[in-house]
Amino acid sequence: QAQLVESGGGLVRPGGSLRLSCEAPGINFGDFYLTWIRQSPGKGLEWLAYISGSGTNIDYADSVRGRFTISRDNAKKSVYLQMDSLTVDDAGLYYCVRGFRHWGRGTLVAVSS
Amino acid sequence: DIQMTQSPASLSASVGDRVTLTCRAGQNIDFYLNWYQQVPGNPPKLLIYNAVSVQDGVPSRFTGSGSGTHFTLTIASLQPEDSATYYCQQSSTTPYTFGPGTKLEIK
Repeated sequence: QAQLVESGGGLVRPGGSLRLSCEAPGINFGDFYLTWIRQSPGKGLEWLAYISGSGTNIDYADSVRGRFTISRDNAKKSVYLQMDSLTVDDAGLYYCVRGFRHWGRGTLVAVSS
Repeated sequence: DIQMTQSPASLSASVGDRVTLTCRAGQNIDFYLNWYQQVPGNPPKLLIYNAVSVQDGVPSRFTGSGSGTHFTLTIASLQPEDSATYYCQQSSTTPYTFGPGTKLEIK
C-alpha cells in the first residue's frame, strides 16, 4: 500500500514557523522522489518542492525558496517541510505526493494573527 | 514559470454525454501533461499522465490527447460519479504548475 500520511499542520501567526512531516511506511522509500503540493482557495494547486530519493536533488517554487526547506530521513521513511517566515498566503492544505499518483490526505496550515 | 489555462471554467452535462475539457500551456511542454480528478474532501486523483497514458484503474471512457501547448481530456460517456473538478498539470519544467481547474457538474 503506497500510503502517505502527513502531520504537523496547525495555526501559526504571521512570521512563525511550522514543520510538516510525511510518513510512507509501506514503500521502498529511498527509491522515490517526494513532493509537497499545497491547495488553497485563492491559489488553487501549487507545486512547492521536491526531493530525490538520495536527497541530493532538491528544487523549490520561487514562492517558497529561501523560506521553506525540504528534507528526508530514509531510515524513518519520512520527508519533511520546514516552513519559516510564514505569511497569510501560505495557508492551505499541504499534500505529500509520490510520483504524481500517490497523494496523502493532507495537513491543514492556517496563518493568522 | 509555465502558465496553464483551462476551459471552460465550469460545465454542466448529462449522463451519457461526451465532454471535452481543454488545457493550454504557455509554452511547449511536449507531452509532459497530467490530468487529475478531484472530488470535494479528497486529494486529486491522477487520471492521465504524459498526455495520453491512462493510469491503472481509470475507466476507459477517459482519454487524453494533445502535445506541445494544446491538450484535451475527453470523457466518452459521462457517468454520475464523474462530477468533480478536473485539473491539468505540466511536468516538463519545475515548478510543475497546475491549471485553475474545470468544474464538471452532472445535470
